[in-house]
Amino acid sequence: GESVGLHLPTLSVQEGDNSIINCAYSNSASDYFIWYKQESGKGPQFIIDIRSNMDKRQGQRVTVLLNKTVKHLSLQIAATQPGDSAVYFCAEKDPDYKLSFGAGTTVTVRA
Amino acid sequence: DSGVTQTPKHLITATGQRVTLRCSPRSGDLSVYWYQQSLDQGLQFLIQYYNGEERAKGNILERFSAQQFPDLHSELNLSSLELGDSALYFCASSGEAGSPLHFGNGTRLTVT
Repeated sequence: GESVGLHLPTLSVQEGDNSIINCAYSNSASDYFIWYKQESGKGPQFIIDIRSNMDKRQGQRVTVLLNKTVKHLSLQIAATQPGDSAVYFCAEKDPDYKLSFGAGTTVTVRA
Repeated sequence: DSGVTQTPKHLITATGQRVTLRCSPRSGDLSVYWYQQSLDQGLQFLIQYYNGEERAKGNILERFSAQQFPDLHSELNLSSLELGDSALYFCASSGEAGSPLHFGNGTRLTVT
C-alpha cells in the first residue's frame, strides 16, 4: 500500500540552530499535506499545512516545502528552541479524505 | 487547547471486555476522525464520520465500531478486547474539506 514515511526517526539539534525534518510520500494523488507536533501526553498539534498546488508555505518560524517531482515534504524550524522538542509527524490526505501519518521524527533540542 | 474533548483520559480493563470512548468535536466541525496510536506504530487511521455518516474507513477491526450522533459527538466502541488493543486512541475533528484536523488529547486504553 502507499504510505507516508519520514527519513529519520530522530534528530538532535543545538538550540538556536535551524532544524530540517524530512518526509517522503508515495501517493501521487494526495492533495493536501500537514505537519503536526506531538508532545508527551498530548494529542498531535497542527503546525502548518500545504496544498498540492503550492511548493512553499511559511508560518511563524516554520516553513514547509513540497517537492511533488520527488514526492518529498520538509519542515524547517528556524532558531530551534527547547520547546520545539517533540515528535513531528507529516500527514497526507488522499482524495478519499483519508489522512495518513508517517512514523514520526523525534526532535531533541540541546541547550 | 484544540477544542476537541475526549473522555475518559485513562481506561484500564480486562481482556474480553467492551469499552466506549467518547469524543466531542470542536464547535462547528462536522467531521470526526478516530486514530489509534500504539508504541511502535505511529498514528493509524481507523474511521471518519461526516455529519453523522461514515465517510472513510481505515484499518479498523471488526471488533471495533463507531458512530456519530446528531449533536456531532462521536463514540468508538471496542469489544472483545485483547492485550494488543492497548494504545492511545485519538479523536480529531475538522471543518470544511481541506482544512486541518484538530486532535484531542486522547484516551489511553490499557487492557490487562
